[in-house]
Amino acid sequence: GENVEQHPSTLSVQEGDSAVIKCTYSDSASNYFPWYKQELGKRPQLIIDIRSNVGEKKDQRIAVTLNKTAKHFSLHITETQPEDSAVYFCAASIQGGKLIFGQGTELSVKP
Amino acid sequence: GAGVSQSPSNKVTEKGKDVELRCDPISGHTALYWYRQSLGQGLEFLIYFQGNSAPDKSGLPSDRFSAERTGGSVSTLTIQRTQQEDSAVYLCASSLEVGGQYFGPGTRLTVT
Repeated sequence: GENVEQHPSTLSVQEGDSAVIKCTYSDSASNYFPWYKQELGKRPQLIIDIRSNVGEKKDQRIAVTLNKTAKHFSLHITETQPEDSAVYFCAASIQGGKLIFGQGTELSVKP
Repeated sequence: GAGVSQSPSNKVTEKGKDVELRCDPISGHTALYWYRQSLGQGLEFLIYFQGNSAPDKSGLPSDRFSAERTGGSVSTLTIQRTQQEDSAVYLCASSLEVGGQYFGPGTRLTVT
């Protein structure tokens, strides 16, 4: 069935360093890939998304890349700050349909 | 504008009782989704509604779970004969027909 694998499960970086989180999806029909940030006790927040007709998208310090052939997509955060500390979830869907989520990555940015 | 709202924010119920969880989507959003998040776990799809189409119920874990969406807006998720394994945060999201899904604050359900 549909599956999204996310790595690593935990990631610790020093403030100012970059962080990269990787996901792999199984359903080749997937064409929409959002990323969510969830702080403790809060709702997931959509931070960036990419559609399958685009290979890369950037929004300030956040970028997402997509390799459709390999069915991989990644989140890149540059110049990390303590407020970037949270759990990040990748997801895949056929646009307009249900999201299949990865298992989450707990990012810790140390000052 | 107003985001997705859910009620109640917390619900404690005894095993075997029925519960109803409510979701008010963002005005104008045609799609509404229910997910479940167990403690320290990821997000599990339950059901979604898109306009007037038949809902996708493929994620409902058992026939004790059901949901309806009235008038294309508000949705209610009902869990009958609750079990302890139903304890989780139930999250609702809405979206335009094409676009990102925006989540509500969730209902934390505890079955004792």
